[in-house]
Amino acid sequence: KNQVEQSPQSLIILEGKNCTLQCNYTVSPFSNLRWYKQDTGRGPVSLTIMTFSENTKSNGRYTATLDADTKQSSLHITASQLSDSASYICVVSETSNTGKLIFGQGTTLQVKP
Amino acid sequence: NAGVTQTPKFQVLKTGQSMTLQCAQDMNHEYMSWYRQDPGMGLRLIHYSVGAGITDQGEVPNGYNVSRSTTEDFPLRLLSAAPSQTSVYFCASSYGGIGTEAFFGQGTRLTVV
Repeated sequence: KNQVEQSPQSLIILEGKNCTLQCNYTVSPFSNLRWYKQDTGRGPVSLTIMTFSENTKSNGRYTATLDADTKQSSLHITASQLSDSASYICVVSETSNTGKLIFGQGTTLQVKP
Repeated sequence: NAGVTQTPKFQVLKTGQSMTLQCAQDMNHEYMSWYRQDPGMGLRLIHYSVGAGITDQGEVPNGYNVSRSTTEDFPLRLLSAAPSQTSVYFCASSYGGIGTEAFFGQGTRLTVV
């Protein structure tokens, strides 16, 4: 069964610190991997989209990496800010006409002052 | 640009009642989909549409109906609400399938009592 597993489930860090979130997937065949940020009470917002040929992609202080051989991805947040407090969701797109999305359960990040 | 607009934002239903969750997008996207988000689980696909007049079932379609009479609108109907349908519902749209970014609405929090 196609699955996306994220770790840790939750994380608390101090403002200004860095952190890394992990994503393992078993989706095959695989088209692309996305990271979304979801603020409380809001819909997910896209941070990065990577195809299997891309190893890394950045969006400001967010850097995603992808190892398609081991089926692992990570999201690194640099110099965290209070506004980074949110749920971060790893999503893998199947290779199909509709590109169906398989969602991880998310990592809840809390940044404390 | 309004993007993807969902209404209502909150709703309480009694068991057995029916209702329609509205979703509209103003980006001329062909692909639209409905997801539900439950605690500790990733978003799960309910129904999706690849264009006006075309709909298909996702992972958890039972108890829900959809239609797509226009490109802009993709309503989700609950036929006879059950407590198991208590969830947060998200509508999403994208201009293509594989590799294209999905835009999400703000969500509808539904409680069935």
